[in-house]
Amino acid sequence: AAGVIQSPRHLIKEKRETATLKCYPIPRHDTVYWYQQGPGQDPQFLISFYEKMQSDKGSIPDRFSAQQFSDYHSELNMSSLELGDSALYFCASSLWRAEAFFGQGTRLTVV
Amino acid sequence: DAKTTQPNSMESNEEEPVHLPCNHSTISGTDYIHWYRQLPSQGPEYVIHGLTSNVNNRMASLAIAEDRKSSTLILHRATLRDAAVYYCILRDFAGGTSYGKLTFGQGTILTVHP
Repeated sequence: AAGVIQSPRHLIKEKRETATLKCYPIPRHDTVYWYQQGPGQDPQFLISFYEKMQSDKGSIPDRFSAQQFSDYHSELNMSSLELGDSALYFCASSLWRAEAFFGQGTRLTVV
Repeated sequence: DAKTTQPNSMESNEEEPVHLPCNHSTISGTDYIHWYRQLPSQGPEYVIHGLTSNVNNRMASLAIAEDRKSSTLILHRATLRDAAVYYCILRDFAGGTSYGKLTFGQGTILTVHP
């Protein structure tokens, strides 16, 4: 069965650079969620989209932005990267009111 | 967001049943009870969810108290592959400030001994 696909799987950036993470949800899923998980921490909700409209917003820094495109894939754009942004970033997708399926994540390392 | 309380850790032996408790005394009528688990460096994995009635699937069972203020995830025969962090999450689709986001709190680290 198709799963949530995230790219890239690993990314190394320098401080103050920009990064773009991509998420391809399971076909026909209408909701996408983004999470950040720092070392030894629980996943923290960043932002979500329902039918290409932002639906929920969590603790997402102003330096980050996200959008969902007409083909339902989503991108998380991160600017002015800081060392503290180093983390695993997960994307999840679901049908409304159904269980969410998570991707394998993108490991971002800021040096 | 309604909060949940879980034990920090639990241990089990392989092939024995495991009961993972979760308290959610402030649950609202529109909150669904979801369980996810996460292995190191992997994305969280859906386990089971329910609203009011007990639920069973191929992975586990979910027992929900009659007042819905607590629930228990039951793994019928633990295997080494079940060792993970288990999260009990209340998921609300009522709208307003919550459209089904999963808020991860402190989960239960399950250790399974051979």
